[in-house]
Amino acid sequence: GQNIDQPTEMTATEGAIVQINCTYQTSGFNGLFWYQQHAGEAPTFLSYNVLDGLEEKGRFSSFLSRSKGYSYLLLKELQMKDSASYLCAVLNSNYQLIWGAGTKLIIKP
Amino acid sequence: IAGITQAPTSQILAAGRRMTLRCTQDMRHNAMYWYRQDLGLGLRLIHYSNTAGTTGKGEVPDGYSVSRANTDDFPLTLASAVPSQTSVYFCASSDSGLQGDTGELFFGEGSRLTVL
Repeated sequence: GQNIDQPTEMTATEGAIVQINCTYQTSGFNGLFWYQQHAGEAPTFLSYNVLDGLEEKGRFSSFLSRSKGYSYLLLKELQMKDSASYLCAVLNSNYQLIWGAGTKLIIKP
Repeated sequence: IAGITQAPTSQILAAGRRMTLRCTQDMRHNAMYWYRQDLGLGLRLIHYSNTAGTTGKGEVPDGYSVSRANTDDFPLTLASAVPSQTSVYFCASSDSGLQGDTGELFFGEGSRLTVL
């Protein structure tokens, strides 16, 4: 089967750094996405990785290792507005998007 | 404001009733999708459409139907609702279809459906 694993919930402090991990087992790989979803709202696109390495976009960075089936989303200088769920999704060889259940990130002052 | 509009935002429905969730986009995107989101599970694809006039089945299509008469509209119909269809439904679009798609998805605000 195909599956995406992410921690269910994480807690971090305002101003700190947090790393949200995602491991995947899929039939092939054509890219990995991270989306942010605030409670009661729609998911919004954060990042896309298809090659190994780190992609940086402001306070957010996303890393990919295809050989390990592993990605992480790094959030720096955490703000209260970063409290949200973070969804990892992998595009498999059939160009189907396989979604993880999401990681709920709680930011404390 | 450009984007995707879903209606209704929320609905309570008796089991056995027919229900259509509406979805309209004004970004002229080729591809549109319907997902359901349930607690503890990842988004699951119900149906998709790579372009106007074509539709395809996703991961969980049973009990649902869609149509794509034009580029902008992609309604989802529950012919005879059952309690297991209680969920939050998201419509999404992208600039290209699933085949070869590496573009981001744009989501509507969701439709919360409760079937009693």
